[in-house]
Amino acid sequence: DSGVTQTPKHLITATGQRVTLRCSPRSGDLSVYWYQQSLDQGLQFLIQYYNGEERAKGNILERFSAQQFPDLHSELNLSSLELGDSALYFCASSPGGGFSYEQYFGPGTRLTVT
Amino acid sequence: TQLLEQSPQFLSIQEGENLTVYCNSSSVFSSLQWYRQEPGEGPVLLVTVVTGGEVKKLKRLTFQFGDARKDSSLHITAAQPGDTGLYLCAGGTTSGTYKYIFGTGTRLKVLA
Repeated sequence: DSGVTQTPKHLITATGQRVTLRCSPRSGDLSVYWYQQSLDQGLQFLIQYYNGEERAKGNILERFSAQQFPDLHSELNLSSLELGDSALYFCASSPGGGFSYEQYFGPGTRLTVT
Repeated sequence: TQLLEQSPQFLSIQEGENLTVYCNSSSVFSSLQWYRQEPGEGPVLLVTVVTGGEVKKLKRLTFQFGDARKDSSLHITAAQPGDTGLYLCAGGTTSGTYKYIFGTGTRLKVLA
């Protein structure tokens, strides 16, 4: 158990819909990272927040957005969902703001868009 | 464009054999991490290498960062069934906009 929690574990929704994925980092960690893992694209970095502020941005689509709240939990919002958005979404947390810090990954949310 | 290529993509070996996984790029990385991921779980960090030429050992696993910080290798000695999993390298590159990229992955299966 990494100490990172993600909800829900599974999510099935239809195209065009909007969903919110939630992540609670390990106690004391200030950074939250979001990743998407699909069979054809592998593991892709989406976005990082550090202590409430956006720190780094990866291959995140404009239909996707994220935020980190004062209690440091984070939410990833996916809108206008397409079939290709079906994937595993992981969040990870680390104590510091740089990628050289050890990242602890949550168990993931499996999103299926039908 | 995938900047971190791993080879081989798949590897099936017998318990006790040695193996090497490679992670190659044309870009320079400020640091590079190796992860192992098991089905249905998130990746678990194995090691971070920062200095060109650096070698780190973790029990039967040896990690090396290339002198030019463009490539890395993971060597496993006397593989065990518990080593089975997806091995991923990942790193941050500052060529252009900062990016954190995962490699294409090597799926290892160790047979008892």
